[in-house]
Amino acid sequence: QKEVEQNSGPLSVPEGAIASLNCTYSDRGSQSFFWYRQYSGKSPELIMFIYSNGDKEDGRFTAQLNKASQYVSLLIRDSQPSDSATYLCAVRSSGTYKYIFGTGTRLKVLA
Amino acid sequence: SQTIHQWPATLVQPVGSPLSLECTVEGTSNPNLYWYRQAAGRGLQLLFYSVGIGQISSEVPQNLSASRPQDRQFILSSKKLLLSDSGFYLCAWTGQLGGYTFGSGTRLTVV
Repeated sequence: QKEVEQNSGPLSVPEGAIASLNCTYSDRGSQSFFWYRQYSGKSPELIMFIYSNGDKEDGRFTAQLNKASQYVSLLIRDSQPSDSATYLCAVRSSGTYKYIFGTGTRLKVLA
Repeated sequence: SQTIHQWPATLVQPVGSPLSLECTVEGTSNPNLYWYRQAAGRGLQLLFYSVGIGQISSEVPQNLSASRPQDRQFILSSKKLLLSDSGFYLCAWTGQLGGYTFGSGTRLTVV
């Protein structure tokens, strides 16, 4: 059974701090990694994707991938109250059309 | 630009009644289409996916079915709803980068 695991939280950080969200996956054949943000009552929204080991930056967001450790993370710099949401990690294995989601980490940014 | 439409937004149905949820995608051809369900406080569960007209793969045995009568139309159905079918139903498609774009979702409550 392929799994994606996340700490459910809530993760509370003060406004302006760095929020660090983590995700581990079990399938070593995984090739594509995604982070989604989901506000309460809304559908998930893609915010970052990463395919290669290392860091990928987009504005205040940085995705980090370590395939050897089967670990992917999302850093949010200068966190804002509007970043308060549930963040979902998703993994796609090679040769499949299926994406496995973690259960999400709830982030609370305190003003 | 590509857009995905999903309706209705909310639905309250009695146990044993039928269900039909519809999803359409605009601005692309031959998309991979997916149906997910998110139960309250739970992660996203893949129900069905389709890589082409008439091609449906089922992930979870249940009383739901899916059909793809046209290239950009994906329908989720049930002949008789159960209480356990309540949840937030999401349609999604994958673009060239591989990440999902989700519809706005249907919140189904079976009473």
